[in-house]
Amino acid sequence: QKEVEQNSGPLSVPEGAIASLNCTYSDRGSQSFFWYRQYSGKSPELIMFIYSNGDKEDGRFTAQLNKASQYVSLLIRDSQPSDSATYLCAVRGTGANNLFFGTGTRLTVIP
Amino acid sequence: DTAVSQTPKYLVTQMGNDKSIKCEQNLGHDTMYWYKQDSKKFLKIMFSYNNKELIINETVPNRFSPKSPDKAHLNLHINSLELGDSAVYFCASSQDFVAGSRETQYFGPGTRLLVL
Repeated sequence: QKEVEQNSGPLSVPEGAIASLNCTYSDRGSQSFFWYRQYSGKSPELIMFIYSNGDKEDGRFTAQLNKASQYVSLLIRDSQPSDSATYLCAVRGTGANNLFFGTGTRLTVIP
Repeated sequence: DTAVSQTPKYLVTQMGNDKSIKCEQNLGHDTMYWYKQDSKKFLKIMFSYNNKELIINETVPNRFSPKSPDKAHLNLHINSLELGDSAVYFCASSQDFVAGSRETQYFGPGTRLLVL
């Protein structure tokens, strides 16, 4: 079983809509959760991190964490074509010194 | 003023050759990482060093050898390159590796390795 799972997509949303990206993880004791954005041919760049259950908002982005369900999501409000990229979920497992990455969800925002 | 830099950006080489990739960070971070991203975009940790000390050594062939001359540099040497080594290799760094905001990782631009 993979440590971190994401729907590979592609996920297509119209410009201005809300994009919802989901991620599940297998280690119940995981402590830290990250969302990275990766444009084609570029390196991953951090969007948000979240440690506590609930929502965390930063501009148009909201990360949601539900540790009981082992689920973390990223909402992008008012989606823009420039949001088109692959979104990587990363989780730090129990006692781990590193992050486990999902395979990413490719998002396309249609103008 | 690049935070995490890697050289070279592209590397095309023949099977059986030995090559090195260099990474430097000017963020003052204590921890550095090497990741491999395959053609399916899966990003997998290979090694991690904290203050020049190896803390993560995932299951990778021993043809791959990291070296950290100081905490701002982490190089990756690959012996006897194989076709399956073709991938993008990313270096990353973080202030620390323990849970908390200091663990946030920042990635270099990547080195695209193609083995022919």
